[in-house]
Amino acid sequence: DGGITQSPKYLFRKEGQNVTLSCEQNLNHDAMYWYRQDPGQGLRLIYYSQIVNDFQKGDIAEGYSVSREKKESFPLTVTSAQKNPTAFYLCASSIDQIGTGGQETQYFGPGTRLLVL
Amino acid sequence: AQTVTQSQPEMSVQEAETVTLSCTYDTSENNYYLFWYKQPPSRQMILVIRQEAYKQQNATENRFSVNFQKAAKSFSLKISDSQLGDTAMYFCAFSPLESYDKVIFGPGTSLSVIP
Repeated sequence: DGGITQSPKYLFRKEGQNVTLSCEQNLNHDAMYWYRQDPGQGLRLIYYSQIVNDFQKGDIAEGYSVSREKKESFPLTVTSAQKNPTAFYLCASSIDQIGTGGQETQYFGPGTRLLVL
Repeated sequence: AQTVTQSQPEMSVQEAETVTLSCTYDTSENNYYLFWYKQPPSRQMILVIRQEAYKQQNATENRFSVNFQKAAKSFSLKISDSQLGDTAMYFCAFSPLESYDKVIFGPGTSLSVIP
């Protein structure tokens, strides 16, 4: 089955702790994205990556870090610098072929809910 | 700056009835994609329908159809024969076609289908 998986479904963070959210896709998509969603609000872009070993900051990158060592994986680390990390985190991917420009449809994972202890 | 506006934070519809969700956007681009995504209580985002701006014909997908008015920068979603499973947040989204810019999401409309 092709798709996007995120783990864990729920994650608890202690004060001052870094935590990493996993996102894996087997759709052979070039581009991957991380969004944050707060209660009753829309999606805000944290980071995105159009190709392996390259990524760009989104609107709210402060306190977060990412890596893209493999095409199918785009983990997000919530660092201790992120003072209000409690939110729902969504990972997405899309075909974003170099040279064609623009973005195709984004497909989303099931999300990870991060809570602070 | 490109923006997406959904002016209806909450809506409700009787089961089997038809409902229309509004979306307007602002852009100077000529070619772009528009999307409607559904987020049910499970929180997973699901693509409902997609429209390419260069296509004049409105996209349809079973009970879901759009009214795309490019000059007015309007992209409304019509849900026919509403079902209880349609209860969800609905997000309108915009993506430029000819640049590596990011997808812009609207704030969402919460739709409740009443039995």
